[in-house]
Amino acid sequence: EVQLVESGGDLVQPGGSLRLSCVASGFTFSSYWMNWVRQTPKKGLEWVANINPAGNAKLYVDSVKGRFIVSRDNAKNSVTLQMNSLRADDTAVYYCAGWGDSNYWGQGTLVTVSS
Amino acid sequence: DVVMTQSPLSLPVTLGQPASISCKSSQSLVHTDGKTYLDWFQQRPGQSPRRLIYRLSNRDSGVPDRFSGSGSGTDFTLKISRVEAEDLGVYYCMQYRHWPHTFGQGTKLEIK
Repeated sequence: EVQLVESGGDLVQPGGSLRLSCVASGFTFSSYWMNWVRQTPKKGLEWVANINPAGNAKLYVDSVKGRFIVSRDNAKNSVTLQMNSLRADDTAVYYCAGWGDSNYWGQGTLVTVSS
Repeated sequence: DVVMTQSPLSLPVTLGQPASISCKSSQSLVHTDGKTYLDWFQQRPGQSPRRLIYRLSNRDSGVPDRFSGSGSGTDFTLKISRVEAEDLGVYYCMQYRHWPHTFGQGTKLEIK
């Protein structure tokens, strides 16, 4: 059974940091592009970042460039999103999703940025 | 960024009847390799998105054949031949021809 399990979501103050993790199982993780996508009721679904299977190519949406860092560990079947200088508009449910021969999504983890 | 515009945003349908969702992109989604990088997703209440159609018209494994995708260039359509109760939810188109990948606003399929 394929699983993507995110963790790390929390309530954090503006300017703070948070690290999201996603652990995969049930598919060939090292062959998949891994992505972070966030969702809010107001803005809908928004792509945040992705990383290629080798981990040496990364893309970020402009609004998180310089603040978020995506990385992966193929030996541990995991991908992380380090989020720094958090702002209120980063508040969202964050999904990790795998793109390859198939498409897989985690259940999401809630990040709330508020004082 | 490429803007994806869906219509309608709300779609009340009768069970057993067909349904159609339109998605228009602000730029062409055709790559130099000839493929069109447009996917369709379904999000049922309380669930994560699930991909139904990839690269314009290819159904994902396990997706019923009542779902079909079509279109070209900047104009795309998701069709459900006969709506079933399990189809209720929100449907999104998404382009990945250009970075950042972008989603439509979503179309809420409601059962009449």
